[in-house]
Amino acid sequence: GIQVEQSPPDLILQEGANSTLRCNFSDSVNNLQWFHQNPWGQLINLFYIPSGTKQNGRLSATTVATERYSLLYISSSQTTDSGVYFCAVDSGTYKYIFGTGTRLKVLA
Amino acid sequence: GAGVSQSPSNKVTEKGKDVELRCDPISGHTALYWYRQSLGQGLEFLIYFQGNSAPDKSGLPSDRFSAERTGGSVSTLTIQRTQQEDSAVYLCASSLLGGNTIYFGEGSWLTVV
Repeated sequence: GIQVEQSPPDLILQEGANSTLRCNFSDSVNNLQWFHQNPWGQLINLFYIPSGTKQNGRLSATTVATERYSLLYISSSQTTDSGVYFCAVDSGTYKYIFGTGTRLKVLA
Repeated sequence: GAGVSQSPSNKVTEKGKDVELRCDPISGHTALYWYRQSLGQGLEFLIYFQGNSAPDKSGLPSDRFSAERTGGSVSTLTIQRTQQEDSAVYLCASSLLGGNTIYFGEGSWLTVV
């Protein structure tokens, strides 16, 4: 089956810093989503981005499907950005496979 | 309700007992997913329902696990003869159609003692 790897696995930032999270996948995908899991465990959908670039406030995402990766950019990070970021991919069966996650901690 | 609703939010059960976890998806959503997340780990796909089609059960870890979706809405995940390794958060999600934006519930935390 498709493999989804995220990097880095852990990231510590000072408040106000910028960061880039990466999601690599081993096969072509039809759909890709980014999620944030807050410290209380709730998963929030950030982007539905099978291709191209989208922006939402301080967050933006780019997926280059032909090269099998997606990037999530966080600018001017805040402590509320802390948590785990997951990408999830669907290779055509609508069965989303989640990546290994990037655990982010933003320090005040 | 406006979001995906799961119950119970927490369940402690004795090894060997059966448990049922319930998911009420967002109204009008035809796709429903169950995932499992062990402590500090990623999300493991369990099962996917799409409308009245046969579900994709390829992620169910053993025949002790089963799920059904009645009337294309509410879903129940049943774990029979629970084992300690079944302890995890069970997450339900729904989307308007298969492949669309997924919305997660808050999860059901299962502890098997």
